[in-house]
Amino acid sequence: NAGVTQTPKFRILKIGQSMTLQCTQDMNHNYMYWYRQDPGMGLKLIYYSVGAGITDKGEVPNGYNVSRSTTEDFPLRLELAAPSQTSVYFCASSYRETQFFGPGTRLTVL
Amino acid sequence: GQQLNQSPQSMFIQEGEDVSMNCTSSSIFNTWLWYKQDPGEGPVLLIALYKAGELTSNGRLTAQFGITRKDSFLNISASIPSDVGIYFCAGLKNYGGSQGNLIFGKGTKLSVKP
Repeated sequence: NAGVTQTPKFRILKIGQSMTLQCTQDMNHNYMYWYRQDPGMGLKLIYYSVGAGITDKGEVPNGYNVSRSTTEDFPLRLELAAPSQTSVYFCASSYRETQFFGPGTRLTVL
Repeated sequence: GQQLNQSPQSMFIQEGEDVSMNCTSSSIFNTWLWYKQDPGEGPVLLIALYKAGELTSNGRLTAQFGITRKDSFLNISASIPSDVGIYFCAGLKNYGGSQGNLIFGKGTKLSVKP
């Protein structure tokens, strides 16, 4: 099993550009999550999904959108990138309480 | 939002020393998790605790779920250079039929001097 994979690993965006961060898991987990991690901080939940077709907002959803058309994939969309969205983004999936994290996407918005 | 207070923020210790860090909250949690994050990587689960008072070990790591369900600690014995990284605690309020969401502490950055 590859576990949770994320692409791209790094990205630089200009203000106002849009992009999609990809996340795929091969563990057949129903639950998937997107977090952002700012320097010196813990992880903050952006959006989560309890199964295909079902998504819900986390603690910091503004400026982001998600979709969950399949169990495996949970892409995160930034429509109008802002400098405040400069961060490292982690995708995770879980079976019950234990969450497994991807390697992260480091995004810089200039 | 809910917060976990994790301390210390950072530690710089000599190889071979024992390490202790903890998390406290004003809220009760049903599950406590401890993760380690290496530079440029995602967090990796170290230990999961499911019952108040539970004491669980994973090699040189030992963690406990506080009796009040509002705190947890992690100990690392005989530290080695590869223990370097950031350790995060995370609490979960709901589980079973309702998954709930993790609340993360801000992390403890561990540096080990050979």
